Formats: sequence, C-alpha cells, structure tokens
Amino acid sequence: GAVVSQHPSRVICKSGTSVKIECRSLDFQATTMFWYRQFPKQSLMLMATSNEGSKATYEQGVEKDKFLINHASLTLSTLTVTSAHPEDSSFYICSASGGEQETQYFGPGTRLLVL
Amino acid sequence: GNSVTQMEGPVTLSEEAFLTINCTYTATGYPSLFWYVQYPGEGLQLLLKATKADDKGSNKGFEATYRKETTSFHLEKGSVQVSDSAVYFCALRRSSGNTPLVFGKGTRLSVIA
Repeated sequence: GAVVSQHPSRVICKSGTSVKIECRSLDFQATTMFWYRQFPKQSLMLMATSNEGSKATYEQGVEKDKFLINHASLTLSTLTVTSAHPEDSSFYICSASGGEQETQYFGPGTRLLVL
Repeated sequence: GNSVTQMEGPVTLSEEAFLTINCTYTATGYPSLFWYVQYPGEGLQLLLKATKADDKGSNKGFEATYRKETTSFHLEKGSVQVSDSAVYFCALRRSSGNTPLVFGKGTRLSVIA
C-alpha cells in the first residue's frame, strides 16, 4: 500500500519554541492532506484540511495562527506549532489522499512533548 | 452531522475467542465505512472498508458488513490472536468529495494467551 511518512517521530521542546512536523507521501501525489490530533486513549480529532497550493481549512476551535499548515507540493505538508505550550503536548497524525474516493493513508504520527 | 459510535472498551479476550466490536453511524447520504487499527506505538493502518450497502470488507480474518438498515458496521473475527491486541477505530467518510474521516472513540482490545 501507499506510504506516508512523518518527521520527526518524537520531539521534546521547551515552552515558547516552535516545532515543525513534516508529512510526506512517498509513492503517490497527495492532493489533500489532513492533520489530526490524538489525546491519550481518545480518538483522532481533525484539526485542518490541507489542499496543495491553497490555504488550509481549519476546524472550529483550532487556532490557525498557532497551528500553521503549509502544503507547498503534492508530496509534502508541514504543521508548525508556534510558541508551543505544555497543553499542546499530544500525538499529531497526518493522512494523505490521492483524490476523491481515494483511500486515506496515515502517517505513523509525531509525539510532541512541551516542557 | 456525521458521527460514529463504537462500543466502549477495553475488551479483554482469551486467544481463539470470538470478537465483535460494535459500530453504528449517523450520516447524511451514503458514506463509506472503515475500520482502522492502531498497534502500540504505531500509526493507524487501514484494516478494511466498505463503500456501499451490503458490502463486506475483510482482511486478516476480520470482517465487517455495511448494514444500511441498522446503520451499523460491526467488526468481527472468529478466532483472535495475541497479535491482534490493538486499538480499533471505526470511521466514516462522506462518499462525495475528498473529505476527512470521522472517527469513533476507539476500542482497545487485549488478547491474552
């Protein structure tokens, strides 16, 4: 099946710093990428939908100035957590889709810990 | 709106036991339905899917049938193994458009030898 990678897999940072997470589709062109957040023992919550070459669409309650999403190419989307705080600590997961009706493939996730 | 409800966990079974994880959904139109599995420390993997009523998805001994009349997509396996221990997520996606998945809360399965 298709492969989606995320980097880094784990990051620890100090409060107030910014962290960038990359999501790459390795063997297909992803017209759309989705960013989810997963709290411990809970489900995935959609944060935003990212279409290549256009601005991301954020879900209600997600601060777009805090969670910057860039989808500059058909194989790469980045999520930058700006001025991270301990409450931003979570598991961030991206998924990528090649288009309408296509299966979404998930990255392995990035665990962020803000001290 | 669209939503997915799946049975609360955790579920603990002995090896070779029969597994059922219930999942029901609420959606407008005719969504596609999915089961994803998350093994410890890993990302989500697609387990199986069904895109229309009465379709049966199957993979690795797991099965689920899209039941429009009961708006359900229950996951079953006849004989579980220790290696099946994971968290299972039921999800739906609207059939039109490149839309995100809506997930249930997940059900943690532990299989003991």
